[in-house]
Amino acid sequence: AQTVTQSQPEMSVQEAETVTLSCTYDTSESDYYLFWYKQPPSRQMILVIRQEAYKQQNATENRFSVNFQKAAKSFSLKISDSQLGDAAMYFCAYCIGPNSKLTFGKGITLSVRP
Amino acid sequence: KAGVTQTPRYLIKTRGQQVTLSCSPISGHRSVSWYQQTPGQGLQFLFEYFSETQRNKGNFPGRFSGRQFSNSRSEMNVSTLELGDSALYLCASSFGGVVQYEQFFGPGTRLTVL
Repeated sequence: AQTVTQSQPEMSVQEAETVTLSCTYDTSESDYYLFWYKQPPSRQMILVIRQEAYKQQNATENRFSVNFQKAAKSFSLKISDSQLGDAAMYFCAYCIGPNSKLTFGKGITLSVRP
Repeated sequence: KAGVTQTPRYLIKTRGQQVTLSCSPISGHRSVSWYQQTPGQGLQFLFEYFSETQRNKGNFPGRFSGRQFSNSRSEMNVSTLELGDSALYLCASSFGGVVQYEQFFGPGTRLTVL
């Protein structure tokens, strides 16, 4: 079965510091797509960043970047200069084709200390 | 531009009853996906509809069903409710597949089964 594992249920970071959220996945496919989603306390989920498995370059979106290690099947999210608004639950997800379903990890709750 | 709306926001039902949840996608979006979110299982994919056809289906029993109308609005129905069906049900809309197009999530419907 194809799975996504987020082993840390909770993390905490000091405001302005950097934090890395871990994610590993298991798939036999060679081509797939990876995502990080953010779910703030208001509950509306939003896309943070995405990565195509065929691209070697790590994706970056402003303060958010990923460390994609295809051989290790690892896809971690780095948040730089953490802000109070970054406090949320973060979900790692992947899909194996352009029209296939998203498979999510169980999520990690990130708190930001002022 | 209005976001994804879900009605009702909160619902309380008793075991054995059935329930219908509604999702209105962003104007122009043809894909609607449904997810069940629980603390124990995380986010699990239920099904996706695209242009009134079910395109993908998750591993849920037949008590969970859905449909999409010609205006892209979607409903999901759960029959013979069980206590374990208590969850936050999220819908997400996009122009098409999750790879090419960003999914936009609604605020969710919180279903409590007593």
